[in-house]
Amino acid sequence: NAGVMQNPRHLVRRRGQEARLRCSPMKGHSHVYWYRQLPEEGLKFMVYLQKENIIDESGMPKERFSAEFPKEGPSILRIQQVVRGDSAAYFCASSPQATGELFFGEGSRLTVL
Amino acid sequence: AQRVTQPEKLLSVFKGAPVELKCNYSYSGSPELFWYVQYSRQRLQLLLRHISRESIKGFTADLNKGETSFHLKKPFAQEEDSAMYYCALKGAGGTSYGKLTFGQGTILTVHP
Repeated sequence: NAGVMQNPRHLVRRRGQEARLRCSPMKGHSHVYWYRQLPEEGLKFMVYLQKENIIDESGMPKERFSAEFPKEGPSILRIQQVVRGDSAAYFCASSPQATGELFFGEGSRLTVL
Repeated sequence: AQRVTQPEKLLSVFKGAPVELKCNYSYSGSPELFWYVQYSRQRLQLLLRHISRESIKGFTADLNKGETSFHLKKPFAQEEDSAMYYCALKGAGGTSYGKLTFGQGTILTVHP
């Protein structure tokens, strides 16, 4: 089992562009979470998804951010019209059940110029 | 509101010395507490959870509801324990799933 796979590992965007971050959960895991880590801060919950459903997006900014987990393919975190404040590490995690035992990916580091 | 506080950003000890990483939480119900660890160039991984009441790699952590703490302890630190440690809280109830509140982390350095 390769573990949670995230790509790209590093992404550089200019202000106003779109960023797409992808996450493939571990085999057999149907629960996917996205967390964001701003510089000098801990991880902050953004969104929880199951296949084709957003269960909890209470941590997502109301504008420009969206997430999906389609029936086929990876989960996508999409950030439209990026701003410098979006620069952060974005971590995806998966779990086989809805518990606090999460398996994390290596993260995607977004830099907005 | 849920909150997790790790008061020490950096902690340095010598090999063989005891180590304690502090974690305090704020939550009105009965939470689940976890310690996650990130070794150099590795991904974040679960170290232990309070409901398991087990010792992992010599580390233990006891949930103290009176002091709202979940400190991580090891009697004899080893160099390979050097890592970033995060304390995390999961609220009670069916809607809390894997929605964790993390502390800011403590970087532990064990010197030879």
